[in-house]
Amino acid sequence: DTGVSQNPRHKITKRGQNVTFRCDPISEHNRLYWYRQTLGQGPEFLTYFQNEAQLEKSRLLSDRFSAERPKGSFSTLEIQRTEQGDSAMYLCASSFPTASNTEAFFGQGTRLTVV
Amino acid sequence: AQKITQTQPGMFVQEKEAVTLDCTYDTSDQSYGLFWYKQPSSGEMIFLIYQGSYDEQNATEGRYSLNFQKARKSANLVISASQLGDSAMYFCAMREVRGSNYKLTFGKGTLLTVNP
Repeated sequence: DTGVSQNPRHKITKRGQNVTFRCDPISEHNRLYWYRQTLGQGPEFLTYFQNEAQLEKSRLLSDRFSAERPKGSFSTLEIQRTEQGDSAMYLCASSFPTASNTEAFFGQGTRLTVV
Repeated sequence: AQKITQTQPGMFVQEKEAVTLDCTYDTSDQSYGLFWYKQPSSGEMIFLIYQGSYDEQNATEGRYSLNFQKARKSANLVISASQLGDSAMYFCAMREVRGSNYKLTFGKGTLLTVNP
């Protein structure tokens, strides 16, 4: 499978626990994005990496959230001290924009439920 | 700030008929891109079609076409010959380019149901 892969697909955690999600982008893609999608809404941008550098973070990304992309390959998104409001689908996307193709390819997402 | 508006929370269509999903956008950028994604119940976002702001012709991809009216700032998706497998959420999105960041701003989506 050469698409974007996200693990785990589902995560249920108790409030206050830490969770970590992983995203493996398409191998030649140098750009990686994290989005959050709450019920009834479209995805909202969280953060962006070009290779290993995190170049932009949304104001939605509170200090409890941290993302990394070591060596410019896979990425992790960690949420510390989870809150019920963190319950959402977390989507990862990757791209390698060219003049004729700028689409982002999405993974299947990690659905987080905080109880 | 960019904004995407999808005014149809839900749409119904009979199998084999065509359906139009509405999308309007607001931006002060001259260069932008418009995307439509399909999200089935499994959760992944599937790219359907792309329209660049400088493209003079409407984009088409198989049964999908994008009715791009730049002056009205609308980018409606037309699905021809609907199939049962088309039942899903559909999201319109705009690409905002800031340096190398090609992040997307999404609308709230339209839930399409195809009836047999």
